[in-house]
Amino acid sequence: ETGVTQTPRHLVMGMTNKKSLKCEQHLGHNAMYWYKQSAKKPLELMFVYNFKEQTENNSVPSRFSPECPNSSHLFLHLHTLQPEDSALYLCASSQVGDRGNTIYFGEGSWLTVV
Amino acid sequence: EDQVTQSPEALRLQEGESSSLNCSYTVSGLRGLFWYRQDPGKGPEFLFTLYSAGEEKEKERLKATLTKKESFLHITAPKPEDSATYLCAVRDGNKLVFGAGTILRVKS
Repeated sequence: ETGVTQTPRHLVMGMTNKKSLKCEQHLGHNAMYWYKQSAKKPLELMFVYNFKEQTENNSVPSRFSPECPNSSHLFLHLHTLQPEDSALYLCASSQVGDRGNTIYFGEGSWLTVV
Repeated sequence: EDQVTQSPEALRLQEGESSSLNCSYTVSGLRGLFWYRQDPGKGPEFLFTLYSAGEEKEKERLKATLTKKESFLHITAPKPEDSATYLCAVRDGNKLVFGAGTILRVKS
C-alpha cells in the first residue's frame, strides 16, 4: 500500500443511518485532512489534524464527526445527513515542517445521501 | 481572506494545440502556490509547488510559472491523455485554499 487510502470508495446511506469513512496514510506524515468536493465548487476544507490534535474545524455541522486515533488513521463519522451532503469526500496528508507542506490526496469516497 | 480564481472554467483544445491556464491569487505573504491534476472520480494528483515570482517548473508537456499575482500552467502540444481538471491552490497557514479549477478537454 502506498500513499493515502480511503474506504469505502462509494457509499449510499439514508438520512437516518450512521456510517463512517476511513482513511489511512502510508507516507509517514504528521498531519491529516478532510476536504469536501461538491459539483462545480472549489474543494472545501472540513477538518485538520496535526499530530493527532484537531487544529481546524471549518464550521462543519455536527452531523460530521472526525476522529484521529493516531497520525496514520483518520475517520469521518456520519449521522443524520442531508441529501445536500452528497459529495466526494477527500482525505489528505502532509508533513508539517517540510517546505511547502505539500498535501497529498486519497482517491476519495463518493457519498450519496438518499 | 485568501482568494484563488482560475480561468477559463473550461478549455477545449485539439491535440497539439498549445495553450495556458491561469490562476490569479490574493494572499498576504505567499508561502506556496500548488498545481494539481484531477481525473474524473479520483483525488487530486500533485503536480508542482512554486514559491517565488519568476520561478518555473516543468513536467513532460506541462510548465508552471509564477508572478506576484498569478500563475500560469502552460500545456505544450497536448495529448488526449492530458484531459483532466487542473486545480490551483495557495497555502493559508496549515491548509490549502483552492480555486474552482479548469476543465481541460483535448480532442484527437
